[in-house]
Amino acid sequence: DAMVIQNPRYQVTQFGKPVTLSCSQTLNHNVMYWYQQKSSQAPKLLFHYYDKDFNNEADTPDNFQSRRPNTSFCFLDIRSPGLGDAAMYLCATSSAGSYNSPLHFGNGTRLTVT
Amino acid sequence: DAKTTQPNSMESNEEEPVHLPCNHSTISGTDYIHWYRQLPSQGPEYVIHGLTSNVNNRMASLAIAEDRKSSTLILHRATLRDAAVYYCILRDGETGGSNYKLTFGKGTLLTVNP
Repeated sequence: DAMVIQNPRYQVTQFGKPVTLSCSQTLNHNVMYWYQQKSSQAPKLLFHYYDKDFNNEADTPDNFQSRRPNTSFCFLDIRSPGLGDAAMYLCATSSAGSYNSPLHFGNGTRLTVT
Repeated sequence: DAKTTQPNSMESNEEEPVHLPCNHSTISGTDYIHWYRQLPSQGPEYVIHGLTSNVNNRMASLAIAEDRKSSTLILHRATLRDAAVYYCILRDGETGGSNYKLTFGKGTLLTVNP
């Protein structure tokens, strides 16, 4: 089945140690998104790619970066994780054919910072 | 993004219909009404969307008020598996812009009792 896959499901990193989260998709969608979801809160958009065009949200900290080497893969890099960056990180995709194309989400990577 | 207002929580009994309300009094003419839900420990999942007319799919029905300032997501027979946070989101359906974003509000936590 076509889907959005995030690995790993759980990631533990140390305070200040760079970490990379991965997302792959088999849907061949143009648009890929990264959301951050803290406990009992709604998902918050960090940035999205339209093909290779990167769109950063105004309030996304500089500590968060992203790479999209090809259509299928997207990475979230956290350069110096703080305790406040512990959260679920969700990757999603959508087709650029219509603004109403639904988003397809992965099941997330839960990041713990020790 | 135009704002939506939903109750924080609702309860239902298994096999009974559930009506989840959403107010969006500042909706614009090009905004589509989208619903997503998030089951525990999973990424959000698309449920349904509509513009003016009521919509039905295999998961749910969407009833949209004539003035479009409110809508209701209808689950015809709730099951335990429908226990989730339900998000009502307005999304600009006008093409030609650069906005593919989906911005989540707080949502409604639906509890289904056996």
